[in-house]
Amino acid sequence: NAGVMQNPRHLVRRRGQEARLRCSPMKGHSHVYWYRQLPEEGLKFMVYLQKENIIDESGMPKERFSAEFPKEGPSILRIQQVVRGDSAAYFCASSPPASGGSSYNEQFFGPGTRLTVL
Amino acid sequence: LAKTTQPISMDSYEGQEVNITCSHNNIATNDYITWYQQFPSQGPRFIIQGYKTKVTNEVASLFIPADRKSSTLSLPRVSLSDTAVYYCLPSGAGSYQLTFGKGTKLSVIP
Repeated sequence: NAGVMQNPRHLVRRRGQEARLRCSPMKGHSHVYWYRQLPEEGLKFMVYLQKENIIDESGMPKERFSAEFPKEGPSILRIQQVVRGDSAAYFCASSPPASGGSSYNEQFFGPGTRLTVL
Repeated sequence: LAKTTQPISMDSYEGQEVNITCSHNNIATNDYITWYQQFPSQGPRFIIQGYKTKVTNEVASLFIPADRKSSTLSLPRVSLSDTAVYYCLPSGAGSYQLTFGKGTKLSVIP
C-alpha cells in the first residue's frame, strides 16, 4: 500500500507565477489535509478536504490560495501570483473515514513539496 | 489549544536512552497527547499516543503523570537513524487540526 504521494518534490517559481501542488492520498483514505512549514518552524494547518468538499479552510490565507479534492484525481493546492513569503515546505496528509467521534484519527503525511520563489 | 513547551535541541550518544519532556499546562480534559517524528526533508510520522499513565509500543514509551500537565517520550537505545525533530501535540479526540510547535531536534552522536 503506497503512502501519501506528493509532486513535485521541489518547485521553483518566479514572483507572480502560479504554483500547483498535487497530493494523492493513501488508498482508502477520503480525507486530505494541507499544512505549511516555514524554515525552522512547525507545520501549520491550512485546509481540510473530503472528496469534492472543503470542510475547513480556516488556515488558508484569504487571497491567492485555493485547494480542491475532486471526485477523481489528486488534491491540488494552488497558489496564484506567488511571492517570496510563500517559499516553504507544503505537506499533505490523509486519513481514513472517521471511525467515531471519540477515537483518534491518525494522519499520514507525504514527503512534502518544497516551493522556492525567486 | 494547549500551548506546549519542549527543549529546542538535545544531543545523545548511540545506545543511550533519551527522554524528551513536553509541558502542556493547560491541556484540555479530552485531549490526547500525541508524538510525531520528522526526519529531514520528510513529512512527520506518528510515533505514539496516550491519555494518561504509560503507553509502550515497538518504537517508544510515553509517560504521562496524573495531572497530565506534561508528558515524556522515551526512546530506548537510540541509533543514528533516530536523529530527527520530535513534536508533542495535545489534540482532542476526533480533532483534525494538528498544531505543531517547533519541536525538539534530537542529534544522535556516534
